[in-house]
Amino acid sequence: QVQLQESGPGLVKPSETLSLTCTVSGGSISSYYWSWIRQPAGKGLEWIGRIYTSGSTNYNPSLKSRVTMSVDTSKNQFSLKLSSVTAADTAVYYCARVGEAYDYWGQGTLVTVSS
Amino acid sequence: QSALTQPASVSGSPGQSITISCTGTSSDVGGYNYVSWYQQHPGKAPKLMIYDVSNRPSGVSNRFSGSKSGNTASLTISGLQAEDEADYYCSSYTSSSTDVFGTGTKVTVL
Repeated sequence: QVQLQESGPGLVKPSETLSLTCTVSGGSISSYYWSWIRQPAGKGLEWIGRIYTSGSTNYNPSLKSRVTMSVDTSKNQFSLKLSSVTAADTAVYYCARVGEAYDYWGQGTLVTVSS
Repeated sequence: QSALTQPASVSGSPGQSITISCTGTSSDVGGYNYVSWYQQHPGKAPKLMIYDVSNRPSGVSNRFSGSKSGNTASLTISGLQAEDEADYYCSSYTSSSTDVFGTGTKVTVL
Protein backbone atom coordinates (compact mmCIF):
# COMPACT_ATOMS: atom_id res chain seq x y z
CA GLN A 1 0.00 0.00 0.00
CA VAL A 2 1.47 3.31 -1.10
CA GLN A 3 1.76 5.90 1.66
CA LEU A 4 2.74 9.56 1.46
CA GLN A 5 3.97 11.72 4.32
CA GLU A 6 4.53 15.47 4.21
CA SER A 7 7.22 17.03 6.38
CA GLY A 8 8.57 20.50 6.97
CA PRO A 9 8.26 23.59 9.17
CA GLY A 10 4.77 24.40 10.38
CA LEU A 11 5.58 28.09 10.75
CA VAL A 12 7.19 30.31 8.12
CA LYS A 13 7.84 34.04 8.33
CA PRO A 14 6.44 36.41 5.72
CA SER A 15 8.72 36.96 2.70
CA GLU A 16 10.63 33.74 3.44
CA THR A 17 10.53 30.44 1.56
CA LEU A 18 8.21 27.58 2.46
CA SER A 19 9.87 24.19 2.03
CA LEU A 20 8.08 20.85 2.23
CA THR A 21 9.09 17.29 1.44
CA CYS A 22 6.87 14.33 0.65
CA THR A 23 8.24 10.87 1.39
CA VAL A 24 6.73 7.96 -0.52
CA SER A 25 6.70 4.49 1.02
CA GLY A 26 5.23 1.16 -0.05
CA GLY A 27 6.07 1.73 -3.70
CA SER A 28 8.54 3.32 -6.08
CA ILE A 29 8.40 6.99 -6.90
CA SER A 30 9.52 6.22 -10.44
CA SER A 31 7.28 6.43 -13.49
CA TYR A 32 4.58 8.56 -11.87
CA TYR A 33 3.67 12.21 -11.68
CA TRP A 34 3.50 13.66 -8.17
CA SER A 35 1.60 16.75 -7.09
CA TRP A 36 1.22 19.36 -4.40
CA ILE A 37 -2.25 20.66 -3.53
CA ARG A 38 -3.18 23.11 -0.78
CA GLN A 39 -6.31 24.07 1.13
CA PRO A 40 -6.71 27.23 3.24
CA ALA A 41 -8.84 26.75 6.31
CA GLY A 42 -12.51 26.53 5.40
CA LYS A 43 -11.80 26.87 1.68
CA GLY A 44 -11.44 24.68 -1.37
CA LEU A 45 -8.57 22.77 -2.90
CA GLU A 46 -5.97 24.63 -4.97
CA TRP A 47 -3.66 22.81 -7.37
CA ILE A 48 -0.06 23.96 -6.99
CA GLY A 49 1.70 21.81 -9.55
CA ARG A 50 3.04 18.42 -10.58
CA ILE A 51 6.45 16.86 -11.23
CA TYR A 52 7.43 13.71 -13.12
CA THR A 53 10.28 11.54 -11.92
CA SER A 54 12.34 12.85 -14.85
CA GLY A 55 12.08 16.31 -13.29
CA SER A 56 9.58 17.69 -15.80
CA THR A 57 7.17 20.13 -14.12
CA ASN A 58 3.87 21.95 -14.59
CA TYR A 59 2.82 24.74 -12.24
CA ASN A 60 -0.33 26.71 -11.47
CA PRO A 61 0.05 29.93 -13.49
CA SER A 62 -0.95 32.01 -10.47
CA LEU A 63 1.92 30.59 -8.41
CA LYS A 64 4.43 29.79 -11.15
CA SER A 65 6.80 32.67 -10.38
CA ARG A 66 7.22 31.50 -6.78
CA VAL A 67 7.10 27.68 -7.05
CA THR A 68 9.89 25.18 -7.50
CA MET A 69 9.40 21.42 -7.33
CA SER A 70 12.11 18.78 -7.31
CA VAL A 71 12.36 15.02 -7.01
CA ASP A 72 14.95 12.73 -5.42
CA THR A 73 14.36 9.21 -6.68
CA SER A 74 17.17 7.78 -4.51
CA LYS A 75 15.27 8.84 -1.40
CA ASN A 76 11.77 8.26 -2.83
CA GLN A 77 10.99 11.90 -2.08
CA PHE A 78 9.76 14.97 -3.87
CA SER A 79 9.75 18.54 -2.62
CA LEU A 80 8.03 21.91 -2.84
CA LYS A 81 9.53 25.35 -2.40
CA LEU A 82 7.29 28.43 -2.38
CA SER A 83 9.12 31.72 -2.13
CA SER A 84 8.10 35.16 -0.86
CA VAL A 85 5.24 33.79 1.20
CA THR A 86 2.47 35.91 2.69
CA ALA A 87 -0.42 35.18 5.03
CA ALA A 88 -2.41 34.13 1.96
CA ASP A 89 -0.16 31.08 1.66
CA THR A 90 -1.31 29.76 5.04
CA ALA A 91 -2.96 26.43 4.32
CA VAL A 92 -2.89 22.67 4.73
CA TYR A 93 -0.50 21.37 2.09
CA TYR A 94 -1.09 17.90 0.63
CA CYS A 95 1.15 15.79 -1.54
CA ALA A 96 -0.50 13.29 -3.87
CA ARG A 97 0.31 10.67 -6.48
CA VAL A 98 -1.02 11.08 -9.98
CA GLY A 99 -2.00 7.53 -10.90
CA GLU A 100 -5.65 7.05 -11.66
CA ALA A 101 -6.10 10.77 -11.03
CA TYR A 102 -5.01 11.69 -7.49
CA ASP A 103 -5.26 8.20 -6.08
CA TYR A 104 -2.98 8.44 -3.05
CA TRP A 105 -2.74 11.44 -0.71
CA GLY A 106 -0.66 12.38 2.28
CA GLN A 107 -2.46 13.33 5.49
CA GLY A 108 -1.64 16.99 4.93
CA THR A 109 0.50 19.40 6.90
CA LEU A 110 -0.55 22.82 8.16
CA VAL A 111 1.80 25.63 7.25
CA THR A 112 1.17 28.99 8.90
CA VAL A 113 2.79 32.17 7.60
CA SER A 114 3.26 34.56 10.46
CA SER A 115 5.98 36.65 12.07
CA GLN B 1 -6.95 29.56 -14.33
CA SER B 2 -10.44 29.74 -12.91
CA ALA B 3 -11.85 27.14 -10.54
CA LEU B 4 -14.55 24.88 -11.94
CA THR B 5 -18.04 25.87 -10.76
CA GLN B 6 -19.91 23.62 -8.34
CA PRO B 7 -23.04 24.32 -6.27
CA ALA B 8 -22.12 25.33 -2.74
CA SER B 9 -24.45 22.79 -1.19
CA VAL B 10 -26.67 19.85 -2.06
CA SER B 11 -28.86 17.93 0.35
CA GLY B 12 -31.01 14.84 0.32
CA SER B 13 -32.73 12.34 2.57
CA PRO B 14 -31.36 8.86 3.24
CA GLY B 15 -32.04 6.56 0.31
CA GLN B 16 -32.51 9.37 -2.17
CA SER B 17 -30.25 10.22 -5.11
CA ILE B 18 -28.44 13.51 -5.52
CA THR B 19 -26.36 14.97 -8.33
CA ILE B 20 -23.51 17.45 -8.07
CA SER B 21 -22.57 19.44 -11.16
CA CYS B 22 -19.13 20.69 -12.15
CA THR B 23 -19.06 23.30 -14.89
CA GLY B 24 -15.97 24.34 -16.77
CA THR B 25 -15.09 25.27 -20.32
CA SER B 26 -14.02 23.64 -23.55
CA SER B 27 -10.43 24.13 -22.35
CA ASP B 28 -10.87 21.82 -19.39
CA VAL B 29 -13.97 19.73 -18.63
CA GLY B 30 -15.32 19.86 -22.18
CA GLY B 31 -12.03 19.16 -23.86
CA TYR B 32 -10.77 16.10 -22.02
CA ASN B 33 -12.09 12.95 -20.39
CA TYR B 34 -9.87 13.59 -17.38
CA VAL B 35 -12.46 14.64 -14.82
CA SER B 36 -12.17 13.20 -11.33
CA TRP B 37 -14.17 13.53 -8.13
CA TYR B 38 -13.00 13.57 -4.49
CA GLN B 39 -14.79 13.15 -1.18
CA GLN B 40 -13.41 14.97 1.85
CA HIS B 41 -14.57 14.50 5.41
CA PRO B 42 -13.68 17.20 7.97
CA GLY B 43 -10.04 17.15 8.94
CA LYS B 44 -9.22 14.38 6.47
CA ALA B 45 -7.40 14.19 3.16
CA PRO B 46 -9.53 13.97 0.02
CA LYS B 47 -10.41 10.51 -1.27
CA LEU B 48 -10.67 9.64 -4.96
CA MET B 49 -14.21 8.54 -5.87
CA ILE B 50 -14.34 8.78 -9.69
CA TYR B 51 -11.61 9.16 -12.32
CA ASP B 52 -11.66 9.67 -16.08
CA VAL B 53 -15.28 10.96 -15.91
CA SER B 54 -16.98 7.72 -14.97
CA ASN B 55 -14.54 5.13 -13.62
CA ARG B 56 -14.68 3.97 -10.01
CA PRO B 57 -11.48 2.99 -8.19
CA SER B 58 -11.43 -0.38 -6.51
CA GLY B 59 -13.20 -0.22 -3.17
CA VAL B 60 -15.48 2.72 -3.96
CA SER B 61 -19.18 1.95 -3.64
CA ASN B 62 -21.15 1.55 -6.88
CA ARG B 63 -23.60 4.08 -5.43
CA PHE B 64 -21.21 6.69 -6.82
CA SER B 65 -21.28 7.34 -10.56
CA GLY B 66 -19.96 10.01 -12.88
CA SER B 67 -20.87 11.41 -16.27
CA LYS B 68 -20.18 14.35 -18.56
CA SER B 69 -22.09 16.36 -21.12
CA GLY B 70 -20.37 19.18 -22.91
CA ASN B 71 -18.59 21.42 -20.42
CA THR B 72 -20.39 20.02 -17.38
CA ALA B 73 -19.50 16.91 -15.44
CA SER B 74 -21.73 15.35 -12.81
CA LEU B 75 -21.38 13.10 -9.79
CA THR B 76 -24.45 11.15 -8.73
CA ILE B 77 -24.78 9.51 -5.33
CA SER B 78 -27.62 7.02 -5.20
CA GLY B 79 -29.08 5.47 -2.06
CA LEU B 80 -27.75 8.36 0.00
CA GLN B 81 -26.31 7.33 3.37
CA ALA B 82 -25.28 9.28 6.44
CA GLU B 83 -21.63 8.50 5.77
CA ASP B 84 -21.87 10.31 2.42
CA GLU B 85 -22.13 13.64 4.24
CA ALA B 86 -18.92 15.39 3.24
CA ASP B 87 -17.42 17.94 0.88
CA TYR B 88 -17.00 16.91 -2.75
CA TYR B 89 -14.60 18.37 -5.29
CA CYS B 90 -14.26 17.83 -9.01
CA SER B 91 -10.99 18.23 -10.89
CA SER B 92 -10.07 18.45 -14.55
CA TYR B 93 -7.00 18.48 -16.75
CA THR B 94 -6.67 21.67 -18.78
CA SER B 95 -5.35 22.75 -22.16
CA SER B 96 -2.43 24.44 -20.36
CA SER B 97 -1.24 21.04 -19.11
CA THR B 98 -2.32 21.95 -15.60
CA ASP B 99 -5.09 20.69 -13.36
CA VAL B 100 -7.88 22.70 -11.79
CA PHE B 101 -10.25 21.89 -8.94
CA GLY B 102 -13.88 22.80 -8.51
CA THR B 103 -15.18 25.21 -5.88
CA GLY B 104 -16.48 22.34 -3.76
CA THR B 105 -19.93 21.16 -2.73
CA LYS B 106 -21.10 20.38 0.79
CA VAL B 107 -23.43 17.38 0.81
CA THR B 108 -25.87 17.21 3.71
CA VAL B 109 -27.88 14.12 4.55
CA LEU B 110 -31.14 15.31 6.06
